[in-house]
Amino acid sequence: QVQLVESGGGVVQPGGSLRLSCAASGFIFSSYGIHWVRQAPGKGLEWVTIIGYDGRDKYYGDSVKGRFTISRDNSRNTVHLQMSSLRAEDTAIYYCAKERRWREYYFDSWGQGVLVTVSS
Amino acid sequence: EIVLTQSPATLSLSPGERATLSCTASESVSSNLGWYQHKPGQAPRLLIYDASKRATGIPARFSGSGSGTDFTLTISSLEPEDFAVYYCQQRNDWPLTFGPGTKVEIK
Repeated sequence: QVQLVESGGGVVQPGGSLRLSCAASGFIFSSYGIHWVRQAPGKGLEWVTIIGYDGRDKYYGDSVKGRFTISRDNSRNTVHLQMSSLRAEDTAIYYCAKERRWREYYFDSWGQGVLVTVSS
Repeated sequence: EIVLTQSPATLSLSPGERATLSCTASESVSSNLGWYQHKPGQAPRLLIYDASKRATGIPARFSGSGSGTDFTLTISSLEPEDFAVYYCQQRNDWPLTFGPGTKVEIK
């Protein structure tokens, strides 16, 4: 079955960097766009970014544009989220999610999430 | 950015009762709207896509309706496992956005 496993979370100081990874299995990875969605403590869901099936199409939310970079390695079924210039408001659980269909932009499978804490 | 508002913020109901959740978009999203269920400590689950289509494996007690700016998620008869937070999400324009959520709690 479809499985998405996030890793790389932790505590980082404001202004620092962190790299999250999402390892996928159970589906044809190279055929689907992958998204990151986050949830700050006590808040709702916020879409962060998407990378298309071949890595060419990328879109970012306004709150992370210019600071976060998404990439993928289809040979390793993995997506990475490079986060830099981190702020306290980036503290959240970060989920990777698979699209139901390419360019449909609904998320039918999610990982369990990884916690990122930005604090001094 | 398309802003989604959800009402009510909290819905207090008993098992077996009908739940009606609303989502309103700041501009038309056509039928490009989905609904998710989210329980603490779990991954969100896609319930409805394209306003009214049930996702794979979703029970028939969940139904969605609406188009344009006004949407509704209905749970016809609440089961104990349905008490959770529900989010709407639009895919009509970038950035993709979620509503703030409606918490369905046990009365």
